Amino acid sequence: DVKVTQSSRYLVKRTGEKVFLECVQDMDHENMFWYRQDPGLGLRLIYFSYDVKMKEKGDIPEGYSVSREKKERFSLILESASTNQTSMYLCASSPGTSGYEQYFGPGTRLTVT
Amino acid sequence: GQQLNQSPQSMFIQEGEDVSMNCTSSSIFNTWLWYKQDPGEGPVLLIALYKAGELTSNGRLTAQFGITRKDSFLNISASIPSDVGIYFCAGQRWEYGNKLVFGAGTILRVKS
Repeated sequence: DVKVTQSSRYLVKRTGEKVFLECVQDMDHENMFWYRQDPGLGLRLIYFSYDVKMKEKGDIPEGYSVSREKKERFSLILESASTNQTSMYLCASSPGTSGYEQYFGPGTRLTVT
Repeated sequence: GQQLNQSPQSMFIQEGEDVSMNCTSSSIFNTWLWYKQDPGEGPVLLIALYKAGELTSNGRLTAQFGITRKDSFLNISASIPSDVGIYFCAGQRWEYGNKLVFGAGTILRVKS
């Protein structure tokens, strides 16, 4: 079974803090993705990575950065957290050209106060 | 970004009923996927479809890749209480590479 794990299920941070969300997949997948999910807005892509050290902006990259130093790990960084970044953050991975289906982690519920 | 048109937005189920939902687009897709999300959890992949006309089952769930490649359907037979949750469709197109386009979701609730 594909397993995608996220470092925290719940996180509470203060405005202005630097926040790191970690994601690890164990299936040697090429691609990894970060989404945020908000009521009424659906799943929105923040960033994705198709290879180690490679990244592409998604639909809402502002205020976020990412890092992929190893194939299995993809980190989302909030440089200076703001209250409008309170959300559910979901990480996903997919095989790549051998398959486009994405497998999601359990999510991190981030609250910025 | 582009979204898929998923309907219905929500529905109530009574145990034992069959449930149908669908996803449509004005564009052609090469892969259709169906996910279920429980409250506070990440979406779980239910069924993946790769060919136009393909019909695939996973237990009581059956999904079809529309022949026009612009739509997909998910049916749940003999629903049970644990079927409640949000069901998402997602599609992949060559133009978008490895990215998926998602529907807004169908919320399944239990009829009291």
